[in-house]
Amino acid sequence: DAKTTQPPSMDCAEGRAANLPCNHSTISGNEYVYWYRQIHSQGPQYIIHSLKNNETNEMASLIITEDRKSSTLILPHATLRDTAVYYCIVRSAGSSNTGKLIFGQGTTLQVKP
Amino acid sequence: GAVVSQHPSRVICKSGTSVKIECRSLDFQATTMFWYRQFPKQSLMLMATSNEGSKATYEQGVEKDKFLINHASLTLSTLTVTSAHPEDSSFYICSALDRGRPGTGELFFGEGSRLTVL
Repeated sequence: DAKTTQPPSMDCAEGRAANLPCNHSTISGNEYVYWYRQIHSQGPQYIIHSLKNNETNEMASLIITEDRKSSTLILPHATLRDTAVYYCIVRSAGSSNTGKLIFGQGTTLQVKP
Repeated sequence: GAVVSQHPSRVICKSGTSVKIECRSLDFQATTMFWYRQFPKQSLMLMATSNEGSKATYEQGVEKDKFLINHASLTLSTLTVTSAHPEDSSFYICSALDRGRPGTGELFFGEGSRLTVL
């Protein structure tokens, strides 16, 4: 599975949009982009995923560049409860069937009042 | 959404004893579950893949005799840390694949179990 690169940490003001970048320049055609987050001392929580199209759900929006080499997770109105480590994971369709997820270091998002 | 439950959430044991952690999928059947370990300020590290009715597959560097995994039913996998030592103190997290959602590969995680070995 392709490796991802994320900034180690980011700050965001409460109520503002949080834009979390992820580089996956070696992504291949059958690899999906997944985002999970982990609030302190809890298990990871699924946020969103896509193969190539931009996606939006009740939690966030995922924007993937046309060449698919990078993506951005957008939390439109960050709250203090969004403070967490956010993981961007690229996984092949084959791995999707097995469910195996390999976590990188992620981005620690600190939402400040 | 799908729910995965772990028990116990916290456990303290003496060095040399064995500890069992349970992982249950509450509203779906999981033929495959995964066990992760997380040390403070580090990311999750995949330890093993638990397959219902067959032997677990361990990641490189994880001792299968140290970390016993049993997946006897479609809703339950257990991780037993045998002869635990202080260096085994960690946050253990399980996850389960909901195959009722084909094509998504959504993996649902338990709340984690914090093991402290004295």
